[in-house]
Amino acid sequence: QKEVEQDPGPLSVPEGAIVSLNCTYSNSAFQYFMWYRQYSRKGPELLMYTYSSGNKEDGRFTAQVDKSSKYISLFIRDSQPSDSATYLCAMSANTGGFKTIFGAGTRLFVKA
Amino acid sequence: AAGVIQSPRHLIKEKRETATLKCYPIPRHDTVYWYQQGPGQDPQFLISFYEKMQSDKGSIPDRFSAQQFSDYHSELNMSSLELGDSALYFCASSPPVGEQYFGPGTRLTVT
Repeated sequence: QKEVEQDPGPLSVPEGAIVSLNCTYSNSAFQYFMWYRQYSRKGPELLMYTYSSGNKEDGRFTAQVDKSSKYISLFIRDSQPSDSATYLCAMSANTGGFKTIFGAGTRLFVKA
Repeated sequence: AAGVIQSPRHLIKEKRETATLKCYPIPRHDTVYWYQQGPGQDPQFLISFYEKMQSDKGSIPDRFSAQQFSDYHSELNMSSLELGDSALYFCASSPPVGEQYFGPGTRLTVT
C-alpha cells in the first residue's frame, strides 16, 4: 500500500461545476499538506499549503485536512477550462528531513 | 517574485554519457530537493539538501550524485546514462520549514 493514495481519474466536469479532489494517507506523522497543479510538461505549481488540520480558502480553491480520518480534499468552485490539469496532493513530516510524498495525481478536464 | 531556476531546460544525451543538471533556489531558501518524473508518473523524490548537507535520500540510483554549493545552488550529476533515465527532472526549494516551490524542470532524453 502506498503512503498516499489518490485516484488518478480522469475526472471530467462541465464548466462551472464544483470539483472535489481527494487523497488519503497512512502515515499519521504527516503535518504539512499541499496541493499542486501541473500542466503538461510544466513544473508543479503550488496551489494550497496547510499545516495540520483545518480548512484554508484562496479564491475559488478550498483545502481541507482531516487528520483523524487521514483524508485531505481540494475543492474548486466555478471550475474553468483553464483549470484542466493534473492535481497532485503532497504531504510531508518533520522527521529529520522534509521528504515529500506525492499522490499519483488526478487528471481533471473541465469542458466548456 | 523570483522562482526556482533550472538549467538546461532540455538535454539530449547518448547512453553511457554523463549529464549535469543545475538548480538555483529561490533567494533565502536553504533547502533543495530533486525529483524525477516519468511520463504519466508522479514526481519521485531523489535527494534533498539543507544548508549544503544531504538531508534525505530517496530512490536515487548509485550512478547519480548531487551536491549543494555555498551559494545554495545544487547540481545533479548523472553518469552512465541509460534509456530509462529519460524523464523530467525537477528541482524544488523551500525554507527550513514549509512548502516546496518547483522549478520548470529539465527534460532529459537519452538516446
